[in-house]
Amino acid sequence: SAVISQKPSRDICQRGTSLTIQCQVDSQVTMMFWYRQQPGQSLTLIATANQGSEATYESGFVIDKFPISRPNLTFSTLTVSNMSPEDSSIYLCSVPGQGGDTQYFGPGTRLTVL
Amino acid sequence: AQKVTQAQTEISVVEKEDVTLDCVYETRDTTYYLFWYKQPPSGELVFLIRRNSFDEQNEISGRYSWNFQKSTSSFNFTITASQVVDSAVYFCALSEAHPAGGTSYGKLTFGQGTILTVHP
Repeated sequence: SAVISQKPSRDICQRGTSLTIQCQVDSQVTMMFWYRQQPGQSLTLIATANQGSEATYESGFVIDKFPISRPNLTFSTLTVSNMSPEDSSIYLCSVPGQGGDTQYFGPGTRLTVL
Repeated sequence: AQKVTQAQTEISVVEKEDVTLDCVYETRDTTYYLFWYKQPPSGELVFLIRRNSFDEQNEISGRYSWNFQKSTSSFNFTITASQVVDSAVYFCALSEAHPAGGTSYGKLTFGQGTILTVHP
């Protein structure tokens, strides 16, 4: 199994600022995923972060708004740029299980934008 | 495109009742994976089960059981003798097979979730 940690666990930010969320995995993984869960909603995939190449973004998400870094096989960051109240969400990173057993999720970062 | 539909937005039951959460999916992939996750009020996602598209055997784990029917593209989840601690949001999700094959999974498409409230 994979153990995933995220920092920060929660934050309250002002409109127009940026926040970088960190995701650390206790094992090397090829693919990492970033999801957003808006209040009362389901999870939506933002992008796939691959080590050594640019992230692949889903429809409706752009690199300028959600830049992603993937410097190695155990770590990734997601930045939420120029935030507005609509960005208030839980942001989660996930990785596939190595043994093909499941998809592991981090504990999430609860972001509130005022 | 993949799609997961959980038609029940909210379900409310009294403790010890059985409850079934419905999940219907759409995909053009021949190989795919189906998941159920539980999200308690604390917010973390708790993995419950994964099912491969080529394995239609139903599964039982304690009070939980899952009914996978490929013919109707459904993957329903039943909780027997529900308890207050079962109160949570439950998500059904669909994953494409890994592009390069193997046992890793691709990205997940989630249903809208079903809010289950179990009253004492």
